[in-house]
Amino acid sequence: DQQVKQNSPSLSVQEGRISILNCDYTNSMFDYFLWYKKYPAEGPTFLISISSIKDKNEDGRFTVFLNKSAKHLSLHIVPSQPGDSAVYFCAASGKSGGSNYKLTFGKGTLLTVNP
Amino acid sequence: DVKVTQSSRYLVKRTGEKVFLECVQDMDHENMFWYRQDPGLGLRLIYFSYDVKMKEKGDIPEGYSVSREKKERFSLILESASTNQTSMYLCASSTAGGPVEQYFGPGTRLTVT
Repeated sequence: DQQVKQNSPSLSVQEGRISILNCDYTNSMFDYFLWYKKYPAEGPTFLISISSIKDKNEDGRFTVFLNKSAKHLSLHIVPSQPGDSAVYFCAASGKSGGSNYKLTFGKGTLLTVNP
Repeated sequence: DVKVTQSSRYLVKRTGEKVFLECVQDMDHENMFWYRQDPGLGLRLIYFSYDVKMKEKGDIPEGYSVSREKKERFSLILESASTNQTSMYLCASSTAGGPVEQYFGPGTRLTVT
């Protein structure tokens, strides 16, 4: 069973507009959430994270929102730039299974920002 | 800057060969991880290690083993490579006391023919 779900395999937006990437999770033990960005033939790079004690975290053009009651988080990129075109992975960790440093990843969303 | 390096970017092996994938990190991280990434499946954890000589199975350990003799180095071993192990292999590391972000290497694209 998939504990972290990214239901949109792809998303296409125009340069300058907002990109919204969504992620749902099922495990209520998850208490820390991260977003990674991955270009082809490269390893994922950490983008932004949020703890379950917060509902928003902002870093420049990137903002992550967490709705614990809905078990949903989203990544907003404003304004979107062509260099943001990549696969975005949502990940979660928690004390489930006794290890709170393991990450569970979603399947990823391919974002394409068109000039 | 955290640096995680992997021994090869591209590797082609034959079915039945023993394959070693090496990963080295230079930030004195306690935790190290091996993932594989396949289209439509995301990143799946194969094995991880939280200390020298310590290891734990991840979600898909079958067909793999690992070795961690030194803190900075974590090796993934395919005892007898099979075509279904053709994949992108990613190594990562993180500090102890989680939850913290993991830092990834560039990946090894392994093709088993």
